[in-house]
Amino acid sequence: NAGVTQTPKFRVLKTGQSMTLLCAQDMNHEYMYWYRQDPGMGLRLIHYSVGEGTTAKGEVPDGYNVSRLKKQNFLLGLESAAPSQTSVYFCASSRGGEGRELFFGEGSRLTVL
Amino acid sequence: QQQVKQSPQSLIVQKGGISIINCAYENTAFDYFPWYQQFPGKGPALLIAIRPDVSEKKEGRFTISFNKSAKQFSLHIMDSQPGDSATYFCAASMSHYQLIWGAGTKLIIKP
Repeated sequence: NAGVTQTPKFRVLKTGQSMTLLCAQDMNHEYMYWYRQDPGMGLRLIHYSVGEGTTAKGEVPDGYNVSRLKKQNFLLGLESAAPSQTSVYFCASSRGGEGRELFFGEGSRLTVL
Repeated sequence: QQQVKQSPQSLIVQKGGISIINCAYENTAFDYFPWYQQFPGKGPALLIAIRPDVSEKKEGRFTISFNKSAKQFSLHIMDSQPGDSATYFCAASMSHYQLIWGAGTKLIIKP
């Protein structure tokens, strides 16, 4: 049972480059989320999705875009990477309804030079 | 009003001791208070959660104490073990996507 899988696990970008982080879940969860984690700041929600074909902005959406074309996948894109986007990115999913437990992937560490 | 303040930032406890981490919130609309545990290189995982209609919830060595009037809640780890060494996050939520996280507490259990 894989749960939530993120690829890639590590990536180094130069300022201005673009990239996409892929998240896949095999639990048939309705809700999916992208968070970033920075030292001393907890987790901050970037974007989320409440179902296939839907996306919404979270707390820190600027500089990121997302898509959820299939229920099991949630993609996070950086169109023009900036050093301020250096972070560890976590994808999570939840069942929806009364099920608020978040199931996280192992993270993707992104460094922007 | 959306902040969750967590303390301490780091904590060192002897094996067998009690670890206590505290959180405070302001928004009375929060209705779900989870604690997540994160090991290095891994994503956070739910440890225990509580709703505001109860004052305490216990699961094994882990207990959440909840004080609704003071708008505070805390995690107690009894008989702390080296395997409990991790970063702990409290959070407060009023919906699936409105989850506000504390800044985290790095717990080290000394053998």
